[in-house]
Amino acid sequence: KQEVTQIPAALSVPEGENLVLNCSFTDSAIYNLQWFRQDPGKGLTSLLLIQSSQREQTSGRLNASLDKSSGRSTLYIAASQPGDSATYLCAVSGNTGKLIFGQGTTLQVKP
Amino acid sequence: EPEVTQTPSHQVTQMGQEVILRCVPISNHLYFYWYRQILGQKVEFLVSFYNNEISEKSEIFDDQFSVERPDGSNFTLKIRSTKLEDSAMYFCATDRDRNNQPQHFGDGTRLSIL
Repeated sequence: KQEVTQIPAALSVPEGENLVLNCSFTDSAIYNLQWFRQDPGKGLTSLLLIQSSQREQTSGRLNASLDKSSGRSTLYIAASQPGDSATYLCAVSGNTGKLIFGQGTTLQVKP
Repeated sequence: EPEVTQTPSHQVTQMGQEVILRCVPISNHLYFYWYRQILGQKVEFLVSFYNNEISEKSEIFDDQFSVERPDGSNFTLKIRSTKLEDSAMYFCATDRDRNNQPQHFGDGTRLSIL
């Protein structure tokens, strides 16, 4: 059974720092991995999707990497800003489209 | 940018009552999903729906739950006889291509069972 774990559970950094969020999964037979952002009381916003055949994806200050064989992904946020404060969720899918989520990392960026 | 729309944003219901949660998918999306998030816990998959059929359902999705697309636009989740433990945020998600495109989520319905 696929399990997704995210470390750390919470992170507080000063503005301008570069940071890394970690995600691990137990079954490497995935089709893709997605990183989402969740603001309080809101839905999930897709940030990046990495296909199983890809190593990384970039969007602006965000870079996500995938090492499928070791069951790991990282989300790198460059030059963090207070507006980046949110919960970041990692999710993997198999061939059915069903997403299996980690518990999230709650990020606070202090001005 | 097109959005997934969910109504109501908050539903308060007495235990044992039926509730229907509604979702309007993005117009050219073909795959539909319901997830839920109990306060403080992970987002959990409930059910996926394609071509007017359930594709997959989780252990949570028992006989009390049903989904349908009654009019070709709305996608609904019905809970027949609600229990206290059904209290959660319920998210609808849709995508165009099951494995190659990201799923788009609505803002959710907060369901509170009294």
